Amino acid sequence: AQSVAQPEDQVNVAEGNPLTVKCTYSVSGNPYLFWYVQYPNRGLQFLLKYITGDNLVKGSYGFEAEFNKSQTSFHLKKPSALVSDSALYFCAVSPNTGFQKLVFGTGTRLLVSP
Amino acid sequence: DSGVTQTPKHLITATGQRVTLRCSPRSGDLSVYWYQQSLDQGLQFLIQYYNGEERAKGNILERFSAQQFPDLHSELNLSSLELGDSALYFCASSVAQGNTEAFFGQGTRLTVV
Repeated sequence: AQSVAQPEDQVNVAEGNPLTVKCTYSVSGNPYLFWYVQYPNRGLQFLLKYITGDNLVKGSYGFEAEFNKSQTSFHLKKPSALVSDSALYFCAVSPNTGFQKLVFGTGTRLLVSP
Repeated sequence: DSGVTQTPKHLITATGQRVTLRCSPRSGDLSVYWYQQSLDQGLQFLIQYYNGEERAKGNILERFSAQQFPDLHSELNLSSLELGDSALYFCASSVAQGNTEAFFGQGTRLTVV
């Protein structure tokens, strides 16, 4: 069965500094990997996905993620954090079966301080 | 705005009752997914429909059922409600199945008292 681990409950970073939110996954076969962000009292917003191809994926709002097959990781990154990036971030995986049954991590709260 | 509409936004009901949550997917999306978000269980996949047919099932209780109608809207029925069913229920939709991203509605917050 597939699973996702987000080892950090919270990540604190100062505005302007780079940020990394970690994600590791376990899935049989080739994974589909996703990052979503959730703002308070809002639904999840899609940030980016990895299906195949270039290991560095660029997404919305300046975010990017790096797929590392050997380490089974898909860390979310941004070169310069904004206070408005403060939110709850979810990593998700779907097995390459054609059905998008997403398995989500527990979420990481990102707090960007001014 | 994701284009996925969920109603109602909030629902308060008593234990033992039955409720129906409604979801209208984005225009053109054939797949609808239901997820439950709670503090202790996190985000859990419940069920997926594609063009009216059930395609995948997750940790959905027998007291819960769903369907997707010919106009592609979907309903999630929760019956014999328990306190532990209190959660945020999300609907998501995507164009197809597989490697297309899903777009989420704002959720229905269900409180069982």
